[in-house]
Amino acid sequence: EPEVTQTPSHQVTQMGQEVILRCVPISNHLYFYWYRQILGQKVEFLVSFYNNEISEKSEIFDDQFSVERPDGSNFTLKIRSTKLEDSAMYFCASSGGQEQFFGPGTRLTVL
Amino acid sequence: GDSVTQMEGPVTLSEEAFLTINCTYTATGYPSLFWYVQYPGEGLQLLLKATKADDKGSNKGFEATYRKETTSFHLEKGSVQVSDSAVYFCAYNSGGSNYKLTFGKGTLLTVNP
Repeated sequence: EPEVTQTPSHQVTQMGQEVILRCVPISNHLYFYWYRQILGQKVEFLVSFYNNEISEKSEIFDDQFSVERPDGSNFTLKIRSTKLEDSAMYFCASSGGQEQFFGPGTRLTVL
Repeated sequence: GDSVTQMEGPVTLSEEAFLTINCTYTATGYPSLFWYVQYPGEGLQLLLKATKADDKGSNKGFEATYRKETTSFHLEKGSVQVSDSAVYFCAYNSGGSNYKLTFGKGTLLTVNP
């Protein structure tokens, strides 16, 4: 059964460093998403991506964040100059329609 | 603003007990409603969904009915198993072109043998 994969499973970084979180969506899906969950809080929408461009982004998704689909299979989330409050679980998802399929998440820890 | 409110956890039950996890939403229009489940160490999996008022979603013995009059989508199961131990998330999307999901906080369910 096809699944969404994410790497790494856990990333530790120093404040101010850049990180890239990677996702491989399901191959025939057209919509891609990033969500995050700060420990103990709700899962929050960050950004959606369709047809090689951002279709919607939340107020959380400021200039510090960017997304890219560099090679037709990977979907990346870059966080420039990480802050302590960026520590969270980041989930990638993809869909061909209403149902979204989620990856297992990357736990980002900013020290 | 748009939001989802879920019953606070954690919820601890004995095997074969009846489960209810309450969920209400605040959204404009006619959202589609979902329950996702997250087993330990895994990603979010769609458990069930309902796309219009009075629809009942069901899967693996779980059910939820889309109640527009009460803006609710409560999750129920008649007899839980140890393997149902997980975090359950209520969510909706308001349609449009990108189907973004708005989630509740999640409810941790632990089922003891």
